[in-house]
Amino acid sequence: GAVVSQHPSWVICKSGTSVKIECRSLDFQATTMFWYRQFPKQSLMLMATSNEGSKATYEQGVEKDKFLINHASLTLSTLTVTSAHPEDSSFYICSAREGFSYNEQFFGPGTRLTVL
Amino acid sequence: QKEVEQNSGPLSVPEGAIASLNCTYSDRGSQSFFWYRQYSGKSPELIMFIYSNGDKEDGRFTAQLNKASQYVSLLIRDSQPSDSATYLCAVGDSNYQLIWGAGTKLIIKP
Repeated sequence: GAVVSQHPSWVICKSGTSVKIECRSLDFQATTMFWYRQFPKQSLMLMATSNEGSKATYEQGVEKDKFLINHASLTLSTLTVTSAHPEDSSFYICSAREGFSYNEQFFGPGTRLTVL
Repeated sequence: QKEVEQNSGPLSVPEGAIASLNCTYSDRGSQSFFWYRQYSGKSPELIMFIYSNGDKEDGRFTAQLNKASQYVSLLIRDSQPSDSATYLCAVGDSNYQLIWGAGTKLIIKP
């Protein structure tokens, strides 16, 4: 089956530093990748959608300059949280989809970010 | 505004019984419907998808779709304690994006 990996699985950083999270599709080419954020006891919140080779499309209210997304290849997308603050502490999850049609999204295991 | 509605629960079901989870959606143009399961602290995993009206069965799980009434449901037969999780309904819109429900927390009581 389709496997998506995410690295790191958890990270603790100091306020003001930047953190990069990697998302890889291991056995398929991910035409589209999605980045979600989930706060405790809340549902998934889509942050941005990225297609390989093009700029990410951010959801309303998500700061482009704070959450930098790069989808450089068909198997790798990265999310960089710049100048992280405690309110950025959350569970960040990526998902990947092969193709543009009604195919299911396959989720990575998530990254737990804690900003001190 | 495209919306997907789910009862947040918790829904408590005795072990061995049938758990019924429901989801309604607002966009009549929706074409694809997904059920994901999410354990606490984990990412969602796909359980089933359905595209056509009617029932689709996979083991203990049955997805039901009624496009006229704009609802989709998930039945879990012979519920097990390991089925305790939050179940997320997602609906694919005409732009191939998923619109997510807030999830229903299911508790299976031994």
